[in-house]
Amino acid sequence: LAKTTQPISMDSYEGQEVNITCSHNNIATNDYITWYQQFPSQGPRFIIQGYKTKVTNEVASLFIPADRKSSTLSLPRVSLSDTAVYYCLVGDIDYGGSQGNLIFGKGTKLSVKP
Amino acid sequence: NAGVTQTPKFQVLKTGQSMTLQCAQDMNHNSMYWYRQDPGMGLRLIYYSASEGTTDKGEVPNGYNVSRLNKREFSLRLESAAPSQTSVYFCASHLTHREFNYGYTFGSGTRLTVV
Repeated sequence: LAKTTQPISMDSYEGQEVNITCSHNNIATNDYITWYQQFPSQGPRFIIQGYKTKVTNEVASLFIPADRKSSTLSLPRVSLSDTAVYYCLVGDIDYGGSQGNLIFGKGTKLSVKP
Repeated sequence: NAGVTQTPKFQVLKTGQSMTLQCAQDMNHNSMYWYRQDPGMGLRLIYYSASEGTTDKGEVPNGYNVSRLNKREFSLRLESAAPSQTSVYFCASHLTHREFNYGYTFGSGTRLTVV
């Protein structure tokens, strides 16, 4: 399983765009990149997933360069409610066989200030 | 509402007591997982079940056992609780198919304290 590296913490202000970059140098051909969000006292929540180029949904955008050795989660115009821990995970999402787990690191603690 | 349901939400045990954490999902997911999360830490995988009838150890399986009772239910058992097992436990489920993948769905957690 590919290891990921992301900043421990980030600060931002309401209304700003926040970009969190994750490094995954050993990503495998079958691996997808997935981001989760976790609020205090809650389980993580799936945000976005991608394989290459750019993916956008109603919550965030995910930018993946051609070499796929890193990815950037972009949160447009953050609000106080976006204060949370964000996890970057890399792994094969088709776990039918001996695979079956994703590794959650410590994540990036995003603090949004007024 | 569809999702992952964990019971109980809170539990205090004395050292040496046993208990079972229950988890059920109603999304027809085939894979289920148990994680633990300690303060300031990420989630660590205890056990997982890739499909009904199979279970495998994760990163930190010692002191735990699991049962995949059916496709819906995946329970975690502590046979002899220790203070080191004080943690928040999360159950998750996942539909393992590339074309229909929406990530893991997590329960709201069980906060366990062992004294």
